Amino acid sequence: DTAVSQTPKYLVTQMGNDKSIKCEQNLGHDTMYWYKQDSKKFLKIMFSYNNKELIINETVPNRFSPKSPDKAHLNLHINSLELGDSAVYFCASSSHYNEQFFGPGTRLTVL
Amino acid sequence: GENVEQHPSTLSVQEGDSAVIKCTYSDSASNYFPWYKQELGKGPQLIIDIRSNVGEKKDQRIAVTLNKTAKHFSLHITETQPEDSAVYFCAATIRTALIFGKGTTLSVSS
Repeated sequence: DTAVSQTPKYLVTQMGNDKSIKCEQNLGHDTMYWYKQDSKKFLKIMFSYNNKELIINETVPNRFSPKSPDKAHLNLHINSLELGDSAVYFCASSSHYNEQFFGPGTRLTVL
Repeated sequence: GENVEQHPSTLSVQEGDSAVIKCTYSDSASNYFPWYKQELGKGPQLIIDIRSNVGEKKDQRIAVTLNKTAKHFSLHITETQPEDSAVYFCAATIRTALIFGKGTTLSVSS
């Protein structure tokens, strides 16, 4: 009965590879987000989708591409991974402008 | 764009003491101010929030105050317990995405 789930929890990969992180929410929310938390714990918004439509795209390299197949899912695909992409990535969801619920995070390590 | 400053970055208190964390924001259009608690290896969890039409909100040992004129908001935790030890983040909304402060690591020693 997990509200916001992410897979995988840990992801270790080599520079230059392409990887995806999946996110699913079972709360019936209409808005989903991706946040990046760096090594200093700073949390920063990357993308926001509302009803499968991209509404926020912060200054993120175009190697990062979010995909929302339906309102309950928001996946993050990353091409040509770089060392600086190592971080914890959090998915979140909310109903309109209300409380955002966060997933458990995916720790990405690029070697 | 919105900028949220949070102080202090670390806070150590004795069990039973009070803890106060302060944040300021820059965009007067922001109207929702949540506080999140993040335990090691977990995602942030909302502990309390306040909207711009309210000056203060309390939930048991936790309270938040908002001064819209000064663009300040604060988290107050009373009677701290060891399980309150975590990283706390304030945030402000702009265009539905949360803009976070840099976090406060709270340590409660028994």
